[in-house]
Amino acid sequence: DQQVKQNSPSLSVQEGRISILNCDYTNSMFDYFLWYKKYPAEGPTFLISISSIKDKNEDGRFTVFLNKSAKHLSLHIVPSQPGDSAVYFCAAPLRSGGSNYKLTFGKGTLLTVNP
Amino acid sequence: KAGVTQTPRYLIKTRGQQVTLSCSPISGHRSVSWYQQTPGQGLQFLFEYFSETQRNKGNFPGRFSGRQFSNSRSEMNVSTLELGDSALYLCASSPTRGRGKYEQYFGPGTRLTVT
Repeated sequence: DQQVKQNSPSLSVQEGRISILNCDYTNSMFDYFLWYKKYPAEGPTFLISISSIKDKNEDGRFTVFLNKSAKHLSLHIVPSQPGDSAVYFCAAPLRSGGSNYKLTFGKGTLLTVNP
Repeated sequence: KAGVTQTPRYLIKTRGQQVTLSCSPISGHRSVSWYQQTPGQGLQFLFEYFSETQRNKGNFPGRFSGRQFSNSRSEMNVSTLELGDSALYLCASSPTRGRGKYEQYFGPGTRLTVT
């Protein structure tokens, strides 16, 4: 059961424009979300996160928006750069009691930024 | 701090064999998680170890096992390899407490090919 869904396998944008990557979730117990970026032959690297008590978190060119009522979050990259071309994963911690949790990932979206 | 390291980086095995992969977490991180990444499936959680104890387990057969040592280093083992086990195996460590406790730091992965 995919509790975190990224319905767009790929996205292509022009350099300098905005990239918007989307993520939907089904578990209303999720209260924290993370975005990871992955280049080929490397492990994912943490990009940005957001707590459910906020609806927006910004870090430089990266902004994550959270719409709890729609169970939807999005990652905005402005302006997009060719070096942003990577697979982006949305993730949420699924708690299993106390401080135990496991990160549940979406299947990822391949972003290609064209020069 | 040195990042998460995984050895070996690449491995080719034949069906029926077994394999052991190794992971050294970031110094001070006591939680180590393992993931399998295959095309189209995203990152699938295998298991998590904390203080030498398996704390969480994903939906993988018993052929997949792991352990953690007192220095937090971890190994995972796959016995009786199948062609479908060909994947990128990623290890991640996390601080487990304080701000950023949900942020997992990934190693570069071990690319396993089963022929």
